[in-house]
Amino acid sequence: NAGVTQTPKFRVLKTGQSMTLLCAQDMNHEYMYWYRQDPGMGLRLIHYSVGEGTTAKGEVPDGYNVSRLKKQNFLLGLESAAPSQTSVYFCASSPGTGVANTEAFFGQGTRLTVV
Amino acid sequence: AQSVTQLGSHVSVSEGALVLLRCNYSSSVPPYLFWYVQYPNQGLQLLLKYTSAATLVKGINGFEAEFKKSETSFHLTKPSAHMSDAAEYFCAVIFSGGYQKVTFGIGTKLQVIP
Repeated sequence: NAGVTQTPKFRVLKTGQSMTLLCAQDMNHEYMYWYRQDPGMGLRLIHYSVGEGTTAKGEVPDGYNVSRLKKQNFLLGLESAAPSQTSVYFCASSPGTGVANTEAFFGQGTRLTVV
Repeated sequence: AQSVTQLGSHVSVSEGALVLLRCNYSSSVPPYLFWYVQYPNQGLQLLLKYTSAATLVKGINGFEAEFKKSETSFHLTKPSAHMSDAAEYFCAVIFSGGYQKVTFGIGTKLQVIP
């Protein structure tokens, strides 16, 4: 039972390079999210998706793009990495609407360093 | 504006002592409330959640939280701390409306002293 899987787990990028973080969930969840976690700032929502083919901006979307071509996958792209994007990135998913479906399930995180 | 506040970014307790982690929210309509725990180098996992069924919510590992509407609070407690409770704890909120965007507090790191 994999749950939410993120790849890669670690990455070092040079300023200006691009990369894509992959998130995969096997729970048939409708909603998926990308967060970044920085010391003293908690988790901040970058982008989210409420279903296959949909995406929306969160709290800190600048410098990132996302795609949800398949329901089980949610990709986060950095077009031109900057040192300010050094962070730990978490993907999460949740079932969908309704009181019983509010729990978010998290991946293990991707530690990204931009030098 | 809607927000969630965790008082105390670091809390230290002795093993066996009461754990109290504070969370307040700002909203005119009671939201859905959650506590998540993050162990070192891991993702977050749900401890407990409040969804209006009962004001006192029991979670995993002996934790519980009480929703107090008059105080707009959802503090997390555990009667007796264990060394394994050392982790970072996040209060999270889903405000009414929107697409279930979860808003997280800044987190409280709990240190348990032997």
